[in-house]
Order: sequence, then C-alpha cells, then structure tokens
Amino acid sequence: DQQVKQNSPSLSVQEGRISILNCDYTNSMFDYFLWYKKYPAEGPTFLISISSIKDKNEDGRFTVFLNKSAKHLSLHIVPSQPGDSAVYFCAANYNAGNMLTFGGGTRLMVKP
Amino acid sequence: DADVTQTPRNRITKTGKRIMLECSQTKGHDRMYWYRQDPGLGLQLIYYSFDVKDINKGEISDGYSVSRQAQAKFSLSLESAIPNQTALYFCATSDPGGSNTGELFFGEGSRLTVL
Repeated sequence: DQQVKQNSPSLSVQEGRISILNCDYTNSMFDYFLWYKKYPAEGPTFLISISSIKDKNEDGRFTVFLNKSAKHLSLHIVPSQPGDSAVYFCAANYNAGNMLTFGGGTRLMVKP
Repeated sequence: DADVTQTPRNRITKTGKRIMLECSQTKGHDRMYWYRQDPGLGLQLIYYSFDVKDINKGEISDGYSVSRQAQAKFSLSLESAIPNQTALYFCATSDPGGSNTGELFFGEGSRLTVL
C-alpha cells in the first residue's frame, strides 16, 4: 500500500505556462515533505521542501503548497522551461527521521 | 567528481549469478542507503545504515544483502540474481547533524539487467 502517491505518471506543458504536479499521502504522521527532480542517467536531486507547520514554501520559480486536511501537496513551476523536463518525485518523512517514503514519480515534459 | 559514486553504472548478468553494487561517498555522512527504482513505483528502500556497525532492512530487503565496510563505503549484493531484480539502483547518503529534514544525496545510479 503506497503511502505517498503521484497519480499522474506524466504531464505535458507549454513553455512559459504553469506546471502543477500533485502528490497525495495517507500517513497523517508525515511532517516533512520534499520534492526531488531526476534527469535521465542521473540520480535524483533535492528541489524544494515544506514542513507541516507551513502551507506554502517558495523558491524562485518553484512553490510547494501543502493542504494537511486533504493530505495533499502540489508543486507549481512558473514559468515552465524546457530544462524543467524531468521526472519529479514527491517524498515524505516524519519524526525528524531520514526514512523517506517516495511517490511513483511524474514525468514532466515542457514543450518549447 | 561526484560526491556519491556508484559502480558499476550498468551491468547485465544471468539468473543465479552473484552481483555486487558498490557505493562510495566523499560527503562525510554517516547515513547511507540503497534504493531501487521501478517504473511507477518510485524509489523503494532496500537497506540502510546509520553508521559502520548499523545495518537495517528496508521495505524490500528480500534477496539482497549489504555490507558497510567503512563510513564511506556501502555495498549491495544480490546473492543469486533473478529477473525481477532488473531495476535501477541508487545509493544515497544523508547527514543527521544538519537540518535533519531528511534530504538525501543520491549517486548516479546503477542499471542492472538480469536475464
């Protein structure tokens, strides 16, 4: 039973538009959420994170929103660029541990 | 040079063979992990180690074993490889002394194909 789910395996967006990647979780103990980005033939790299005490965290073009009541978070990329084309993984942990639980990933394609 | 290095990057082997994937890191982190990536399933934890004398099973440890030879080295072994172990394997490290947010630093991956 996957505790972290990314229900959209892929997403295609036009350059300059907004990309919204979604993630749902079931474990109410999760208190920290992270997004990782993965290019082909490379390992995942950390992108942005959010603590459960916040509902929004912004870093440049990337914003993560957390809705605890719905157990849902989303990653917004504005504006989207072709270089953003990658697989994005949502991950969660709790109790200040390092045992991340990952979602299945969403492949984002940004078309020029 | 990469902070987390995995060898080999690609390996094709036959069913029943023993395979070892090696990981070394220069980040000075105590914690090391082995993950497996399958399409649609994300990254699943195989084994993890919080220091040289500590080894713990993850979600999918059956069919795998690990060895933590030193703080900087963590190897994953498949004693008798089977085709459903065909996957992309990632080693990762983390630093509990930092912000303790759970951020992992990944190697570039080892693609294993078992025929």
